[in-house]
Amino acid sequence: ETGVTQSPTHLIKTRGQQVTLRCSSQSGHNTVSWYQQALGQGPQFIFQYYREEENGRGNFPPRFSGLQFPNYSSELNVNALELDDSALYLCASSPPGTNINEQFFGPGTRLTVL
Amino acid sequence: AQSVTQLGSHVSVSEGALVLLRCNYSSSVPPYLFWYVQYPNQGLQLLLKYTSAATLVKGINGFEAEFKKSETSFHLTKPSAHMSDAAEYFCAVRINNDMRFGAGTRLTVKP
Repeated sequence: ETGVTQSPTHLIKTRGQQVTLRCSSQSGHNTVSWYQQALGQGPQFIFQYYREEENGRGNFPPRFSGLQFPNYSSELNVNALELDDSALYLCASSPPGTNINEQFFGPGTRLTVL
Repeated sequence: AQSVTQLGSHVSVSEGALVLLRCNYSSSVPPYLFWYVQYPNQGLQLLLKYTSAATLVKGINGFEAEFKKSETSFHLTKPSAHMSDAAEYFCAVRINNDMRFGAGTRLTVKP
C-alpha cells in the first residue's frame, strides 16, 4: 500500500510568483488536509478537502487555495508569494469514517521564497 | 480557544533514562489529544491519541501518555530512552476538522 506522497520535495520561488504543490493521498483515503510548518514551529492548519469540497479552513488568506480531484489527490496553490510563505508544507490524508483522528502525513514540500 | 502548550523546546536525556515531554491543553470541551513524532526531513507520524476512552494511552515505540483533566495535561513518557528516539515531538488537539499543534520539543539522546 502506497503512503501519502508529495511533489516536489523542494521548490525555490521569488516574491510575487505563484506555486502549486501536489499531494497523492493514501489509497482509499477521501479526506486531505494541508498544513504549513515554518522553521522551528508546529504545523498550522491551512484547510481540508473532503470529496472535492473544502471542509474547513484555518487562518490563512484567500491567496492560499486548493483543489481535490475525483481520485482524492489534492493541490495547494499559493498566489503572490511572500517571504513568510517559506516553510515546509505537509499534506495528510484520512480514511473514510474515522475523521481526522487518523491522519497519515506525507514527507512534505519545502518551499523557499526569495 | 482550544490550544496546546509544550513546555520546553529542547529536552536532553541519556540513553536508558526516562523521557518526559510535557504538554498542557486548553479546551472548553472534552478534547481529543495526540502526540506526533517527526524525524529529520520526514512528515509526522502518530505516536498515540486520547479520544475519551482510557486515560492512560499506550502508543508505538514504547511511549505512553496520561490524560489528567485536573491538570489539563497530556505528558508523554517513555521509561528508557533509545538513541533512535531523537526527533521532534509535537502535541496536538483536534478542533472540528483541524488539528492544532504545539511548537514542538526536540529530544536529544546522549550515549
